Amino acid sequence: DGGITQSPKYLFRKEGQNVTLSCEQNLNHDAMYWYRQDPGQGLRLIYYSQIVNDFQKGDIAEGYSVSREKKESFPLTVTSAQKNPTAFYLCASRGQGTPGTQYFGPGTRLLVL
Amino acid sequence: GQSLEQPSEVTAVEGAIVQINCTYQTSGFYGLSWYQQHDGGAPTFLSYNGLDGLEETGRFSSFLSRSDSYGYLLLQELQMKDSASYFCAVLNQAGTALIFGKGTTLSVSS
Repeated sequence: DGGITQSPKYLFRKEGQNVTLSCEQNLNHDAMYWYRQDPGQGLRLIYYSQIVNDFQKGDIAEGYSVSREKKESFPLTVTSAQKNPTAFYLCASRGQGTPGTQYFGPGTRLLVL
Repeated sequence: GQSLEQPSEVTAVEGAIVQINCTYQTSGFYGLSWYQQHDGGAPTFLSYNGLDGLEETGRFSSFLSRSDSYGYLLLQELQMKDSASYFCAVLNQAGTALIFGKGTTLSVSS
């Protein structure tokens, strides 16, 4: 089945630690996205990538980094510079169809120990 | 930049009709999308309006008025499973990524 997978489902971070969230898609989509969602809030854009080896900052990129070495993969690293990382992280992708359509993965919930 | 406004909460009973409004301010406009998110789950795409008017998909309809920078999602014959958060979204100025509103929590009671 085609779709987006994110792992792990839950992730715990210690103070000063970098952690990496995985996002893989087999939809053959060029564009991929990372969003952060806090309780009772909307989705805020962290980073996005339109093609391999290229990515752009979203509205809240500080404290995060990404790479796009393969079309299928778009990992997000939450660095120690992100002082409030506890949130629900959602990865999404978009193909060549309807402009307003993005497909989301199941999400990773990051908690700070 | 892009900004969207929608009510934070709406309540209704089973079988009723509910309308969730969304107003937006954008630099460049490519259309209005709606997403549904159940608690703890991933957002799923509901509808997209690129042009003015009403789009109908089963019990759900979505409307857009570009001159008023306004749209709404209409849910008919409400069911308990419709209890969820609903987000309106627009593409950013470059047309490359969706920017979401803060969401409307719909609670459907029996």
